[in-house]
Amino acid sequence: GAVVSQHPSWVICKSGTSVKIECRSLDFQATTMFWYRQFPKQSLMLMATSNEGSKATYEQGVEKDKFLINHASLTLSTLTVTSAHPEDSSFYICSARKEEWVTDTQYFGPGTRLTVL
Amino acid sequence: QKEVEQNSGPLSVPEGAIASLNCTYSDRGSQSFFWYRQYSGKSPELIMSIYSNGDKEDGRFTAQLNKASQYVSLLIRDSQPSDSATYLCAVNTGNQFYFGTGTSLTVIP
Repeated sequence: GAVVSQHPSWVICKSGTSVKIECRSLDFQATTMFWYRQFPKQSLMLMATSNEGSKATYEQGVEKDKFLINHASLTLSTLTVTSAHPEDSSFYICSARKEEWVTDTQYFGPGTRLTVL
Repeated sequence: QKEVEQNSGPLSVPEGAIASLNCTYSDRGSQSFFWYRQYSGKSPELIMSIYSNGDKEDGRFTAQLNKASQYVSLLIRDSQPSDSATYLCAVNTGNQFYFGTGTSLTVIP
């Protein structure tokens, strides 16, 4: 297997503030990481694909200026929610792609629960 | 047409029974297939991967792949209440990952 961590695991912030979430691959290098958002009882929604050393690729409808992604190293990607509002409250999950012998596999972090008051 | 389709359920089985979860995919060039389990309020966890036609067994779990029919399934034998979760099917196609919307499984004691 492979281990992906996220920090913080939960955060509560006031409306208008910015929140940074870190995603780390602990025992492998990940050229590509993914950021998802999940609302209660709904499916995972891919927000963006983060590539080390280059700009992230955002899915349609995701505001790149609001959700800033930086993939500065092969083991770390960060998601910053800028000027957060209550509608941004959600469960944010990252995953990292591990290159394995037969195929690439995605491993997920434990998620970060964001509550914006 | 979605890349990966799953029956959303809910699927209910009694404890000790076999739970059968199904997934179809649209791209014949898809190379590898994954099953993730997601408990309520938690992130997905990889439980099985399969690349070749046929069956792959891991404990109580068996993944079945039929590339001709573009069909992948997950069987859970001797289902336990702790198996109650949403099961996500994922497909790797040309290094793009596509996820199904998940099937909710409830194992009734």
